[in-house]
Amino acid sequence: EVHLVESGGGLVKPGGSLRLSCAVSGFAFSNSWMSWVRQAPGKGLEWVGLNKRKSEGGTTDYAAAVKGRFTISRDDLRNTLYLQMNSLETEDTAVYYCGTGAAFDLWGRGTMVTVSS
Amino acid sequence: DVQMTQSPSSLSASVGDRLTITCRASQGIRNRLAWFQQRPGKAPKSLINNASTLQSGVPSRFSGSGSGTDFTLTISSLQPEDFGTYYCQQYESSPFTFGPGTKVD
Repeated sequence: EVHLVESGGGLVKPGGSLRLSCAVSGFAFSNSWMSWVRQAPGKGLEWVGLNKRKSEGGTTDYAAAVKGRFTISRDDLRNTLYLQMNSLETEDTAVYYCGTGAAFDLWGRGTMVTVSS
Repeated sequence: DVQMTQSPSSLSASVGDRLTITCRASQGIRNRLAWFQQRPGKAPKSLINNASTLQSGVPSRFSGSGSGTDFTLTISSLQPEDFGTYYCQQYESSPFTFGPGTKVD
């Protein structure tokens, strides 16, 4: 059975940093694109970015709202996806989900990030 | 960027109803469209990808159709567990944008 488990969320002050992790099991992680999406309280889903598999260059792509502040990376040995978030703003407050592929075939349960002074 | 719209934004329905939700892309996305269900307080769940391919384990009362710019999600007979919010997402062109959602209550 496939499991995706996000961790690393919490309360951080504006301008601060946080690193989220997404541990994946039961899935061909190293052969897959992986993505992040977020959902602000009471709002819809917002695409954050994706990371392609290393065989396709391991390149990343980001939404305009986070480009230059967020970095997606992966560790294929640990089957873990990361989201490094810097220069956090109050507008980044959301539940962050990781998902498999570009079309989010499978989802984690999410981790809450609150940016507040 | 590809803009995604959904209609209606919300609807009231009863168990047994047939529902159709529409998703429209601002430019052609071939069949690169996914549908998701989100129950209150839960993570989204994938129902359909490639516009019409049902995910494993998803009941056959769900179906998807469309190509290019216009897509539909149909629930043939609404069940109690189907209440929630439905989102479409295009993954043809980055950023892979989501629709605003359709709330079914």
